[in-house]
Amino acid sequence: DSGVTQTPKHLITATGQRVTLRCSPRSGDLSVYWYQQSLDQGLQFLIQYYNGEERAKGNILERFSAQQFPDLHSELNLSSLELGDSALYFCASSVVAGYYTFGSGTRLTVV
Amino acid sequence: GENVEQHPSTLSVQEGDSAVIKCTYSDSASNYFPWYKQELGKGPQLIIDIRSNVGEKKDQRIAVTLNKTAKHFSLHITETQPEDSAVYFCAATGGGADGLTFGKGTHLIIQP
Repeated sequence: DSGVTQTPKHLITATGQRVTLRCSPRSGDLSVYWYQQSLDQGLQFLIQYYNGEERAKGNILERFSAQQFPDLHSELNLSSLELGDSALYFCASSVVAGYYTFGSGTRLTVV
Repeated sequence: GENVEQHPSTLSVQEGDSAVIKCTYSDSASNYFPWYKQELGKGPQLIIDIRSNVGEKKDQRIAVTLNKTAKHFSLHITETQPEDSAVYFCAATGGGADGLTFGKGTHLIIQP
C-alpha cells in the first residue's frame, strides 16, 4: 500500500457522460498530481494542485477539470466523455517536488 | 517543455544477466531524474533516483548513471531475477511546479 488511495478502481461509462475520480494523498503530502496513462501516449501529466490551489497544468483537455479540497483530497472530473478518454488515470502525491508516490489508478473504460 | 526519450521499448534478457535502459532529456534545467517500476495492475513505484549534482547512485542490484553534458541517464540492473520483469519508466523534472515528464517506458522481460 503506497498510502495514496484512488477510487474507484474501475469505471465503465458511456460516451457523453461525466465521471469523477477521487484521490486521497499520502498523509502529510500537500501536492497532488494527476496523470493519464494510455498505451500510445504513456504517462501524461494533466494537472497539479498544492494545498488547495492549482499549481501547474499539463496536457489537460478543457472537458477535464480538477480540484483539491481543504482535507487535501482531490477529484478529477471528466465530462463529455469520448472513446479516446479510455485510459488509466493515476494520482500521485508528494511533500517535496519530484518525490512522487503513485496510487494504484482508476481504469476508465468509455463505451 | 521537457522531452524525455527512452530506449529500448522492449528488452528481453536471460535471468542472471544485466539489463540497461537509457533515457535522454532535452531541458538542461532538469535536475532530478527518478526511475519507476510498474507491475501489471499497479501504479508506478519509485525504485531509484538521482540528482544532477551526482554522477552515479547504486542501491543493491540497481544503479543509475547521469551524464549532464550529454543529457542522458541510464538504469542498470545486475543479476536480473524473474521479479524484475515489469515496465520501467524514466522521468525528469526541473523541480518546479510542473509535473514529472516521463519516457514512454521499457518492458523488461526476464527469460528463465
